Amino acid sequence: KAGVTQTPRYLIKTRGQQVTLSCSPISGHRSVSWYQQTPGQGLQFLFEYFSETQRNKGNFPGRFSGRQFSNSRSEMNVSTLELGDSALYLCASSLESVNFYGYTFGSGTRLTVV
Amino acid sequence: AQKVTQAQTEISVVEKEDVTLDCVYETRDTTYYLFWYKQPPSGELVFLIRRNSFDEQNEISGRYSWNFQKSTSSFNFTITASQVVDSAVYFCALSEGPGANSKLTFGKGITLSVRP
Repeated sequence: KAGVTQTPRYLIKTRGQQVTLSCSPISGHRSVSWYQQTPGQGLQFLFEYFSETQRNKGNFPGRFSGRQFSNSRSEMNVSTLELGDSALYLCASSLESVNFYGYTFGSGTRLTVV
Repeated sequence: AQKVTQAQTEISVVEKEDVTLDCVYETRDTTYYLFWYKQPPSGELVFLIRRNSFDEQNEISGRYSWNFQKSTSSFNFTITASQVVDSAVYFCALSEGPGANSKLTFGKGITLSVRP
């Protein structure tokens, strides 16, 4: 069974540009979440999607957005990149069930803003 | 609000030593889930264990064991006879459970270095 796949693995962008990151969840998982990891702030929740609807959102500016497609694949977009957006972006998927087994994470996309 | 505290930031041990990683959590919910994840240098968060708030049984999996104590809001992780391959960053996390509030609140992580 394939795991959570994130593309690309590495990305270098210039300040002011925009970027789109992609995540393919485990087959059958309809919940997809995104997290930002930085040395200073640690792992922070960005947003969660379920059945193409954003169900929860963390405390990030509106420059951070996402969406989910009918096949549960998800993308996140960051517009007007700032140096502080340099981070590891992790996607995670979950099987929605009464017994919550938590999330399976992908390997992440490491974004560097120069 | 939920909070997870991992007071230890870095731990260094010699191979074969036992090591305990501490995790203290805060939540007002009566139903919640606790997790431990391992992050090797490759970056992926690897799931280690899940425990829900109604199950206070301790668990052992090979060299790994977990001690969950609701009375002290702690969920500590012990590695017995540590090995170099255990070197990684370990995160404790808390969630309210499935559905709209399933987001994980992470601690800051503990960097474990196991020296040969």
